[in-house]
Amino acid sequence: QVQLQESGPGLVKPSETLSLTCTVSGGSVSSGSYYWSWIRQPPGKGLEWIGYIYYRGSTNYNPSVKSRVTISVDMSKNQFSLKLSSVTAADTAVYYCARDNIVLGNYYFDYWGQGTLVTVSS
Amino acid sequence: DIQMTQSPSSLSASVGDRVTITCRASQSIGTYLNWSQQKAGKAPKVLIYGASTLQSGVPSRFSGSGSGTDFTLTISSLQPEDFATYYCQQSYSTPRTFGQGTKVEIK
Repeated sequence: QVQLQESGPGLVKPSETLSLTCTVSGGSVSSGSYYWSWIRQPPGKGLEWIGYIYYRGSTNYNPSVKSRVTISVDMSKNQFSLKLSSVTAADTAVYYCARDNIVLGNYYFDYWGQGTLVTVSS
Repeated sequence: DIQMTQSPSSLSASVGDRVTITCRASQSIGTYLNWSQQKAGKAPKVLIYGASTLQSGVPSRFSGSGSGTDFTLTISSLQPEDFATYYCQQSYSTPRTFGQGTKVEIK
């Protein structure tokens, strides 16, 4: 059974960098069959895809955050990470990591972490 | 970006009711459309991918249809555990985008 677990600070000051890590168990981030995504959800609001990484290191980011975001992968630790710079209160959200599966050309998020709330406040 | 619009934003229904939620894309996305269910305080869970393929382990009372720009999620007989928020999401292109959600509440 694949499991994903987010970790990182729950409180970040404005203008600083938000850093989160997703640890994958029961599966491998080095598998060429999946992308690994970050998705966020502001309190009481909908879902926003942030971006994904492929095991070879190629990335794809949402233009809404592209200038501030970096997603990286550490195959030795079976983890992938998110860094979001110059945060503001608008970045306060529950952050999820998810596996992006590909079946017959269809991409869908089949496994999710439990989510971690990150609050941006001084 | 492809905009996804769901209707209604919320609905009240009783156990046993047939429930239909619609999702419209701002451009044609073929059948690259997924439906997810999110319960309060939990991560979303995929129900349907490819517009109509039921994810393994999901009850058969859930079904999806549509192609192009118009899609439907149907719950044939609403159960107590189905009260949740439902999201459509397109995977035709990046950025991946979600509908605003439809909250299904108890009548």
